[in-house]
Amino acid sequence: AQRVTQPEKLLSVFKGAPVELKCNYSYSGSPELFWYVQYSRQRLQLLLRHISRESIKGFTADLNKGETSFHLKKPFAQEEDSAMYYCALVLYNTDKLIFGTGTRLQVFP
Amino acid sequence: NAGVTQTPKFQVLKTGQSMTLQCAQDMNHEYMSWYRQDPGMGLRLIHYSVGAGITDQGEVPNGYNVSRSTTEDFPLRLLSAAPSQTSVYFCASSRDRGGYTFGSGTRLTVV
Repeated sequence: AQRVTQPEKLLSVFKGAPVELKCNYSYSGSPELFWYVQYSRQRLQLLLRHISRESIKGFTADLNKGETSFHLKKPFAQEEDSAMYYCALVLYNTDKLIFGTGTRLQVFP
Repeated sequence: NAGVTQTPKFQVLKTGQSMTLQCAQDMNHEYMSWYRQDPGMGLRLIHYSVGAGITDQGEVPNGYNVSRSTTEDFPLRLLSAAPSQTSVYFCASSRDRGGYTFGSGTRLTVV
């Protein structure tokens, strides 16, 4: 079955520390993956998509088909990065976008 | 350009009541979806649409109906509300697969 797994519910780091939010997927087709972010009291917004291969707000994510992973990384965390992060997968045969359960990132000063 | 607009923002229903959550977008997006967000469960897809007149079920469709008579509107109907449907509901739209713009959500409580 198609699935997105985010194993960490909460990740806490200090400002300036590196961050890696884990995402693994299970999908038999060619995956298209995304990271969405939800800041406190704001609506969910697209952070980045793997086909763009871009860096947004210092975050990057590389698709690793061998490990079926799409981890989100940032070398130096900032307090304003504190938010809920969701990994998501598009199912090409149905056009559905499904989400993982999310990881809350807390960045302490 | 309002983006994705959801109404109402808050709603309390009694068990067995029906209601419609409204969703409208002004970006001429073909793709629209409804999700519910519950603690520890992330966002789960209820129903989605790839264009006017076309809808399909998501992961948790039971108890909900949708229709897509226009590109702009995608209402979600709760047929007979149950406490298990207490949740935050998000509507979203996209020009392509995956790059969705989300609404601000509707917080629904069923008592």
